[in-house]
Amino acid sequence: QKEVEQDPGPLSVPEGAIVSLNCTYSNSAFQYFMWYRQYSRKGPELLMYTYSSGNKEDGRFTAQVDKSSKYISLFIRDSQPSDSATYLCVSGSARQLTFGSGTQLTVLP
Amino acid sequence: DAGITQSPRYKITETGRQVTLMCHQTWSHSYMFWYRQDLGHGLRLIYYSAAADITDKGEVPDGYVVSRSKTENFPLTLESATRSQTSVYFCASRGFGNQPQHFGDGTRLSIL
Repeated sequence: QKEVEQDPGPLSVPEGAIVSLNCTYSNSAFQYFMWYRQYSRKGPELLMYTYSSGNKEDGRFTAQVDKSSKYISLFIRDSQPSDSATYLCVSGSARQLTFGSGTQLTVLP
Repeated sequence: DAGITQSPRYKITETGRQVTLMCHQTWSHSYMFWYRQDLGHGLRLIYYSAAADITDKGEVPDGYVVSRSKTENFPLTLESATRSQTSVYFCASRGFGNQPQHFGDGTRLSIL
């Protein structure tokens, strides 16, 4: 079992839809929770990060962490074609991060 | 511009050859990392460095060598390349404490 499991996708939604991306982790010692966005042939770009349970909002993006169930989510409101990318769920400790395999999202105009 | 740059962006080589991938960051970050990204595996840590002259193995270190003589540079060397090392390689860096990692745009390496 992978330490960070991500819904495989791919996911295709119409422009303006609310997108929900989900992830689970198995190691209760993990303290850091992040979402990266990766466009084709580019490096991962930090989107959101948090160190606690609860919600963190940044514009159209909301990251949600539930440590009791080891569940991580990313919500995208009013999705745009420019949001089309692969989203990487990341969790870990100060020493090492563990990456999910990524969910490919396409937002159709 | 400040940031993290990797070179070359693309490389084709043959099995048995030595290959060095370069990584340079301008933030003066203490920590630097090398990952490989393969379909179905996500990003896997090869090596990391907490400071100049301090390096440690990650999840998949076999076949790779790193050095860090200067804070801003963290080269990755494949001493005798194998086909299984065909991958996209990403370098990342971060500052102290809880700072997140920032990535370069990768080197796409093909070994024939």
